[in-house]
Amino acid sequence: DTGVSQNPRHKITKRGQNVTFRCDPISEHNRLYWYRQTLGQGPEFLTYFQNEAQLEKSRLLSDRFSAERPKGSFSTLEIQRTEQGDSAMYLCASSLAPRLAGEREQFFGPGTRLTVL
Amino acid sequence: GQQLNQSPQSMFIQEGEDVSMNCTSSSIFNTWLWYKQDPGEGPVLLIALYKAGELTSNGRLTAQFGITRKDSFLNISASIPSDVGIYFCAGQTPYGGSQGNLIFGKGTKLSVKP
Repeated sequence: DTGVSQNPRHKITKRGQNVTFRCDPISEHNRLYWYRQTLGQGPEFLTYFQNEAQLEKSRLLSDRFSAERPKGSFSTLEIQRTEQGDSAMYLCASSLAPRLAGEREQFFGPGTRLTVL
Repeated sequence: GQQLNQSPQSMFIQEGEDVSMNCTSSSIFNTWLWYKQDPGEGPVLLIALYKAGELTSNGRLTAQFGITRKDSFLNISASIPSDVGIYFCAGQTPYGGSQGNLIFGKGTKLSVKP
């Protein structure tokens, strides 16, 4: 399977703990995006990378959130001192750097469902 | 901030019926994407639109990029049970530093009529 993969698929943690999620994009894609989705809502943008450079961060990305893509391939999203409000589906997507119109398509992984108790 | 209004919020279908949903934006987009999401899964891309007025089909699905660049619609013809799910529109702005991210509507939930 050459699609976007995410691990773990589900994570249950206690409030105050740190969690880390991993995303492996489609291999030839140099852009990688993180989104968060809560129940009944559409995904909301958090941050994106082009290769290893983090180019944009949403205001939703508080100081407790950090994302990395050290070698321009897989990415990790860490949440420190989790709060109950962090419970959501965390989605990763990848795309080519859009020089052409057809390269703006973003392909999503299956998501990581986080539950903070 | 930018907002996408997607309607209807939910609808019930009977097999064989045609379905229509739309999205409107307060801002101009240069890309409209339509996704379908099943419970517990990530969104799956259905159709991508890149030019104002563009009409694109993918099987029984047809979508159009509005002339004003602020709206888009998705039609599903002759619906089948596996069409059930949540459909999202997403737009991408051509301006400023937010050229990478997608702005999503709240979704249209398609269910089967009891």
